[in-house]
Amino acid sequence: QVQLQQSGAELAKPGASVKMSCKASGYTFTSYWMHWVKQRPGQGLEWIGYINPSTGYTEYNQKFKDKATLTADKSSSTAYMQLSSLTSEDSAVDYCARGRVTTAGDYWGQGTTLTVSS
Amino acid sequence: DIQMTQSPSSLSASLGERVSLTCRASQEISGYLSWLQQKPDGTIKRLIYAASTLDSGVPKRFSGSRSGSDYSLTISSLESEDFADYYCLQYASYPLTFGAGTKLELK
Repeated sequence: QVQLQQSGAELAKPGASVKMSCKASGYTFTSYWMHWVKQRPGQGLEWIGYINPSTGYTEYNQKFKDKATLTADKSSSTAYMQLSSLTSEDSAVDYCARGRVTTAGDYWGQGTTLTVSS
Repeated sequence: DIQMTQSPSSLSASLGERVSLTCRASQEISGYLSWLQQKPDGTIKRLIYAASTLDSGVPKRFSGSRSGSDYSLTISSLESEDFADYYCLQYASYPLTFGAGTKLELK
């Protein structure tokens, strides 16, 4: 069965960077894209971007272009998102979600909670 | 960017009641719309894709439809596990955009 297992909660200081992971299992990792979605406390969902693990191609929401960097490791079937220059605005739950050319978000990870605080 | 206007923002309903949620797209999305359910623990599950196709394992009381630029999710008879937050998602063009969500609560 398809599973997306995300890394544990993170506590980071303002100005720091953090890298979270999303380990895929139950399907061929390179056959699907991986999307990342942010949910700030009490708010809705916001698309950050996606990576094609097969080619490394990425596409970002302009809002996150200077904030997030998406990568993928085919050998371990793991997608990563690095967030840089953290501020309190980055405190959120970040989700990974599987997708393809003609669909998005058929399976979701459980989310990684990021708290930015001094 | 395509704006997805979701309504209502919250809804109180009783067990067994029929409810409908709606998303209106600001531009043509040609049916490239999903409905997602988010439980209080944060777990997100896709219920419907391509506007009206039910995901495998999703109860048949859920259905999706389209009328022009309006997309609807209907739950025919509410069960206790259906009380959650619901979001629409358009994947016709990037950036992907979500509706603001509907909080479905037990009356």
